[in-house]
Amino acid sequence: GNSVTQMEGPVTLSEEAFLTINCTYTATGYPSLFWYVQYPGEGLQLLLKATKADDKGSNKGFEATYRKETTSFHLEKGSVQVSDSAVYFCALERKGGSYIPTFGRGTSLIVHP
Amino acid sequence: EAGVTQFPSHSVIEKGQTVTLRCDPISGHDNLYWYRRVMGKEIKFLLHFVKESKQDESGMPNNRFLAERTGGTYSTLKVQPAELEDSGVYFCASSQSRSGNTIYFGEGSWLTVV
Repeated sequence: GNSVTQMEGPVTLSEEAFLTINCTYTATGYPSLFWYVQYPGEGLQLLLKATKADDKGSNKGFEATYRKETTSFHLEKGSVQVSDSAVYFCALERKGGSYIPTFGRGTSLIVHP
Repeated sequence: EAGVTQFPSHSVIEKGQTVTLRCDPISGHDNLYWYRRVMGKEIKFLLHFVKESKQDESGMPNNRFLAERTGGTYSTLKVQPAELEDSGVYFCASSQSRSGNTIYFGEGSWLTVV
């Protein structure tokens, strides 16, 4: 079945550091891939997505590239801010194309000033 | 425009009691989803409504969970009787159509069973 594996957290960084959160997936066919973010006290929000191989999703300085050969969709940001502190969830579109995301466990990011 | 709203935001109940969670989707959204996240684990799909019909309830853990969406508007998720392992965050989400549209999530209802 479909599944998503994310790196364990928490990830703790200083402001302006480079961020990578690893995500790999297992799926039949070629799913769409997503990163969601949950800021403290808020609901889940779609951060970015990619719908086919080699696509790059980007938003708010975050980027992720759909790598079919390594079945990965790692999230990166060149310079994190304190306001980026949140929980980040990698997800893929559920089989059958019903657009019901299958989520990973989430990775908590803590950015210190 | 109001987002997806959930009530209550936090609930602490004793094992064996009943809890009902409510979700009000964004107006006009036919699709409504329930998810659950147990602490430290993945967010798991529970079920999907299209209007008032259950389209997919394959993620419902057992018959202690009952979801309804009368009239195709708000939805309730009742847990009866609650067990310790039911503790977690219950997310509701809604979207306009099944394919391609963004899913909007609520802030979640935190349930603690003691």
